[in-house]
Amino acid sequence: EAGVTQFPSHSVIEKGQTVTLRCDPISGHDNLYWYRRVMGKEIKFLLHFVKESKQDESGMPNNRFLAERTGGTYSTLKVQPAELEDSGVYFCASSQWVGGGVYNEQFFGPGTRLTVL
Amino acid sequence: AQSVTQLGSHVSVSEGALVLLRCNYSSSVPPYLFWYVQYPNQGLQLLLKYTSAATLVKGINGFEAEFKKSETSFHLTKPSAHMSDAAEYFCAVTKRVNNDMRFGAGTRLTVKP
Repeated sequence: EAGVTQFPSHSVIEKGQTVTLRCDPISGHDNLYWYRRVMGKEIKFLLHFVKESKQDESGMPNNRFLAERTGGTYSTLKVQPAELEDSGVYFCASSQWVGGGVYNEQFFGPGTRLTVL
Repeated sequence: AQSVTQLGSHVSVSEGALVLLRCNYSSSVPPYLFWYVQYPNQGLQLLLKYTSAATLVKGINGFEAEFKKSETSFHLTKPSAHMSDAAEYFCAVTKRVNNDMRFGAGTRLTVKP
């Protein structure tokens, strides 16, 4: 079974440009999460989808970031326009939704390293 | 709010020595706690998790962690370090199922021959 995949693995753009990151979760996983790690700091939560709905987007830094998950499958995270401080590694994770208070492991993708010059 | 603090951004041990990576948590409700490992150019891999069952949790690759409520700690240990353990380790907390995780800043483990 394929794991969580992310594309691209690296992206180098100039300040002011637009970048779109993609995440393909494990098939059948309703939960999809985006996280970001800025250089040397902790990994921070950005948002959480349940299927196509945004469950929690409290971690999104500002309105230059737009996440979508049309059809409840893959997700995209667009940064427009990109700023220097957006540089970092963007991780995606997915998990099953079972309910009943049962914890389900979040499986992480390899991340996309974004560099804004 | 939930949070974790990892003590020591870098830890260096000799091969065969004890590995101890420290994590303290803060949580307003009984937490779920995790340790993840990231090898170079790879994603985060779950080492072990505490979800309110046994307080001593055994994970992959010989790692284990003990949940100590009185100390609000969840330190990661391995009796004997191997060269292949060199990686970055992250402690994380979540307050309920299917919730987002709060990570520590990470501890980079170096293993010397």
